[in-house]
Amino acid sequence: GAVVSQHPSWVICKSGTSVKIECRSLDFQATTMFWYRQFPKQSLMLMATSNEGSKATYEQGVEKDKFLINHASLTLSTLTVTSAHPEDSSFYICSAQALSRDSEQYFGPGTRLTVT
Amino acid sequence: EDKVVQSPLSLVVHEGDTVTLNCSYEVTNFRSLLWYKQEKKAPTFLFMLTSSGIEKKSGRLSSILDKKELFSILNITATQTGDSAVYLCAITTGTASKLTFGTGTRLQVTL
Repeated sequence: GAVVSQHPSWVICKSGTSVKIECRSLDFQATTMFWYRQFPKQSLMLMATSNEGSKATYEQGVEKDKFLINHASLTLSTLTVTSAHPEDSSFYICSAQALSRDSEQYFGPGTRLTVT
Repeated sequence: EDKVVQSPLSLVVHEGDTVTLNCSYEVTNFRSLLWYKQEKKAPTFLFMLTSSGIEKKSGRLSSILDKKELFSILNITATQTGDSAVYLCAITTGTASKLTFGTGTRLQVTL
């Protein structure tokens, strides 16, 4: 099956710094990638939809200037958490979808961010 | 606003039991319903359902969709400790590919 990787898998940073998380589709081209956030014992909440070569579409309540998303190639999307705060500590998961909109989304293993 | 509700929120069963997990939804322009299993990391895909009344089966797991009553069930027979996980239901609507997830059901299978 298709493989999606995320890097790093775990990161600790200080308040006020920025953190970049990478999401890569390893063996297929992903025109669309999705970024989710999951707090402990809660479900996945979609943050934004990222289409290759265009601006991301953010869900209501998600600050686009704080969570910068770049999808510069068909195999890579990045999420940068700027000026991180402790309340940004969460599990961030990406998923990637191949060319057809009806094709399955494949999830990455997630990145656990802790802001101190 | 699209809504996906799962029940129960959590469940503890003994190994060998059969469990039924529920997912109901209120959405505009439904397209598909998906079930995922999440252990410690990212969700893994189980089923995608688009048509009513057609059961999908994979080993001890099966699922069915009722588009008239707006719900789906996930059945697990002869449960094993390895089935312990959070089971997530998600829907897609219209032409968008994004997933709207339910609250999840936390299943614990004990010996």
